[in-house]
Amino acid sequence: GIQVEQSPPDLILQEGANSTLRCNFSDSVNNLQWFHQNPWGQLINLFYIPSGTKQNGRLSATTVATERYSLLYISSSQTTDSGVYFCAVGETSGSRLTFGEGTQLTVNP
Amino acid sequence: NAGVTQTPKFQVLKTGQSMTLQCAQDMNHNSMYWYRQDPGMGLRLIYYSASEGTTDKGEVPNGYNVSRLNKREFSLRLESAAPSQTSVYFCASSEAPGQGTNEQFFGPGTRLTVL
Repeated sequence: GIQVEQSPPDLILQEGANSTLRCNFSDSVNNLQWFHQNPWGQLINLFYIPSGTKQNGRLSATTVATERYSLLYISSSQTTDSGVYFCAVGETSGSRLTFGEGTQLTVNP
Repeated sequence: NAGVTQTPKFQVLKTGQSMTLQCAQDMNHNSMYWYRQDPGMGLRLIYYSASEGTTDKGEVPNGYNVSRLNKREFSLRLESAAPSQTSVYFCASSEAPGQGTNEQFFGPGTRLTVL
């Protein structure tokens, strides 16, 4: 099956800093989603982005499908951005999602 | 619009007991999924239902059964719970492949502990 690798596994920032999270995948995809899992365990949809670039406030994402990677940018980070960020992909052959192991982000005041 | 709802939120079982986790969605989605999340890991697919009346195994189906009761509801049953099934269980839904986007939306999760 498809492999998903996220980097870095852990990231510690000061409030106000910017960061870039990366997701590499091993095969063609028809679905790529970024999620934020907050400290209460809730999975929040950030982006549905199988290709191209999207922005939502301080967050933006870019997927280069031909090179099999996606990037999530967080600008001017806030303590509420803390949590785990997951990348998940769906293969062209079906609709199931395969998740990466996540990036644990800690934003300190 | 409640989105995807799950019951119960928390459950403690003894080894060998059975239980059913309930999931419902009000987004008129065709596809529904059950995932589990173990500590420090991403989610793994247990079973999914591409449309009403169909179910298929995912990556980790052993020890589980599912029922797609109707278009809105998809339940997950543990017939004889084992400590290895201690996990957080998430239900999700999406439109069917080829019908709009296949973006998945997740419920709040059920924390299950098996003693």
